[in-house]
Amino acid sequence: GAVVSQHPSWVICKSGTSVKIECRSLDFQATTMFWYRQFPKQSLMLMATSNEGSKATYEQGVEKDKFLINHASLTLSTLTVTSAHPEDSSFYICSARDLKRTAGNTIYFGEGSWLTVV
Amino acid sequence: QKEVEQDPGPLSVPEGAIVSLNCTYSNSAFQYFMWYRQYSRKGPELLMYTYSSGNKEDGRFTAQVDKSSKYISLFIRDSQPSDSATYLCAMSGGSSASKIIFGSGTRLSIRP
Repeated sequence: GAVVSQHPSWVICKSGTSVKIECRSLDFQATTMFWYRQFPKQSLMLMATSNEGSKATYEQGVEKDKFLINHASLTLSTLTVTSAHPEDSSFYICSARDLKRTAGNTIYFGEGSWLTVV
Repeated sequence: QKEVEQDPGPLSVPEGAIVSLNCTYSNSAFQYFMWYRQYSRKGPELLMYTYSSGNKEDGRFTAQVDKSSKYISLFIRDSQPSDSATYLCAMSGGSSASKIIFGSGTRLSIRP
């Protein structure tokens, strides 16, 4: 099946620093990637939709200047959490949609990245 | 009202039992319906997807969609301890640009 790789799996950073998370589609081209955030025992919250070669579309309430998204190629999207604070500590998950491989409207997820801000 | 409603559980059943997981939704434009399984501290894994109404079976898993009632189900037969996870329903509209909306997830525990 389609594989989406996310790196790093976990990261600890100091408050005020920035952290970059990468999302790669390993065996397909993804024109659209999605970034989610998940707090413990809660569902996935869509943060933004990342489109290759254009600006990301952010969901209401998500600060675009804090969560910078870049989708420079068909296989890579990055999420940078700028000036991180402890309340940004969460599980961040990316996903990618492969329209060529799937008959339906499905997406594949990365393994997620645990961010802890201390 | 949320677009997708899912009982968070937890649901605990003995090994071998049939498990029924359900979601209701309010948006009649939804055309694609998915079930994801998520183990603790891992990303969700696609289990099943169906288009429009009907049933779909894959091994021990059966997905049902009733668009007239706006109700979807996932059945797990002969449940195993390894099935213990959080199950998320998800759905989206007919356009490739449609966002996918997730339920809150149901935590399932299979007792040996």
